[in-house]
Amino acid sequence: SQKIEQNSEALNIQEGKTATLTCNYTNYSPAYLQWYRQDPGRGPVFLLLIRENEKEKRKERLKVTFDTTLKQSLFHITASQPADSATYLCALDNSGTYKYIFGTGTRLKVLA
Amino acid sequence: ETGVTQSPTHLIKTRGQQVTLRCSSQSGHNTVSWYQQALGQGPQFIFQYYREEENGRGNFPPRFSGLQFPNYSSELNVNALELDDSALYLCASSSDDREETQYFGPGTRLLVL
Repeated sequence: SQKIEQNSEALNIQEGKTATLTCNYTNYSPAYLQWYRQDPGRGPVFLLLIRENEKEKRKERLKVTFDTTLKQSLFHITASQPADSATYLCALDNSGTYKYIFGTGTRLKVLA
Repeated sequence: ETGVTQSPTHLIKTRGQQVTLRCSSQSGHNTVSWYQQALGQGPQFIFQYYREEENGRGNFPPRFSGLQFPNYSSELNVNALELDDSALYLCASSSDDREETQYFGPGTRLLVL
C-alpha cells in the first residue's frame, strides 16, 4: 500500500542546534517533494521544493535532501530558534501530477 | 502572506446541512486545489480545478463538489454534512509557470454538530 510517514512524536531540541526531520514514503514515484511549515490553526506555508533529480536544496538555514533509492527526504534547520517551533509537513506528488499527498507532520519545539 | 484568501474563517453547521466555502486565488494563478485537514493529520487532497474544469479528485464522495469561476475564485460545496466532516478546509493555488509550487490560504474551520 502507499504510505508517507513522518515522525508522529514531537521533536524537542535546544536553541542553536540543528533539527532534522524525516519523511519516508512507500509505493510512490514522486517527481517533486515539498516541505511546509504549519502553525496551529493556520494554513501550511511553503518552504522548499526538491525535484526527483536533485539530491539537495538549500535556502538560508534550511536544507532538504532527497534520496529516491531510500525513498526518503530529510529536512534540516540549522541554528534553530524558538520561532522555528511549528509543525512541519512533507508532501509529494505522485508521478508529476501536481496533486500532493501529505504526511501527518512532525511537531518541532525549539527550547530557549 | 500568500495572497490566497478564504471565507468564512469559522463555521458551525448541523448534520445533514449543506455548506459552501470560498477561496480567492493568488493573482495570476489558474489552478486551485482543495484539501481537508482533520485535527492532528496532514491535509488530504479533495480535488483540483484548472481553468474551471475539474482536474483530478481524491478519495472523497460525490457530496463534495466544487466550482472554479472565470476570475479563478472557487467554491467547495459539501452536501449532507456528517460529523466527520468537521475539519480545517484549505485551498491552495498555483500558476501555469510554476505548477509544482502551491500557496495555501488560511483555511476555514468547519464544525459539524
